[in-house]
Amino acid sequence: QVQLVESGGGLVKPGGSLRLSCAATGFRFSDYYMSWIRQAPGKGLEWVSDISSSGSIIHYADSVKGRLTISRDNAKNSLYLQMNSLRVEDTAVYYCARGSKTAISWGQGTLVTVSS
Amino acid sequence: EIVMTQSPATLSVSPGERATLSCRASQSISSKLAWYQQKPGQAPGLLIYGSSTRDTGIPARFSGSGSETEFTLTISSLQSEDFAIYYCQQYDNWPYTFGQGTKLEIK
Repeated sequence: QVQLVESGGGLVKPGGSLRLSCAATGFRFSDYYMSWIRQAPGKGLEWVSDISSSGSIIHYADSVKGRLTISRDNAKNSLYLQMNSLRVEDTAVYYCARGSKTAISWGQGTLVTVSS
Repeated sequence: EIVMTQSPATLSVSPGERATLSCRASQSISSKLAWYQQKPGQAPGLLIYGSSTRDTGIPARFSGSGSETEFTLTISSLQSEDFAIYYCQQYDNWPYTFGQGTKLEIK
């Protein structure tokens, strides 16, 4: 069955960097758009970024544009999110999701905490 | 950016009764609307897309309706496992945006 497993979250100081990874199994990864969606503690959901199956089409939310970079490696069935210049307001659980427009499947999430 | 507004924020319903959740878009989104369910400590899960199409394995007691700017999620006979937070989400335009959620609680 479909499995998405995120890793790479943790505690980082404002201005710092992190790289999140998402390992995908149970489906043909190279056929699907993939997305990152985040949820601040006790808050709602924000669609952060998505990437086409080939990686040629990418979207970012305005709140992260220029600081977060989505990428994928279809040979490794993996999705990534490079997070630079992190801010306190980036604190959230980051979910990897299969699909764009609708998030068909979700990982369990990885918590990123930005705090001094 | 399209703003999605859900109502009510909290809905208290008894098991076995019907629950009706509303979602409004700030501009027309045709039928480009999805509903998700999130239980405590879990990731959300897709329930409905295209305003009214249930995702694979979703029970028939869940139904969605609406178009343009007004949408409804109906749960016909609430089971204990249905008490959760429900989010609507538009995918007509990037950025795809979610409503703030409706918490469905046991009355």
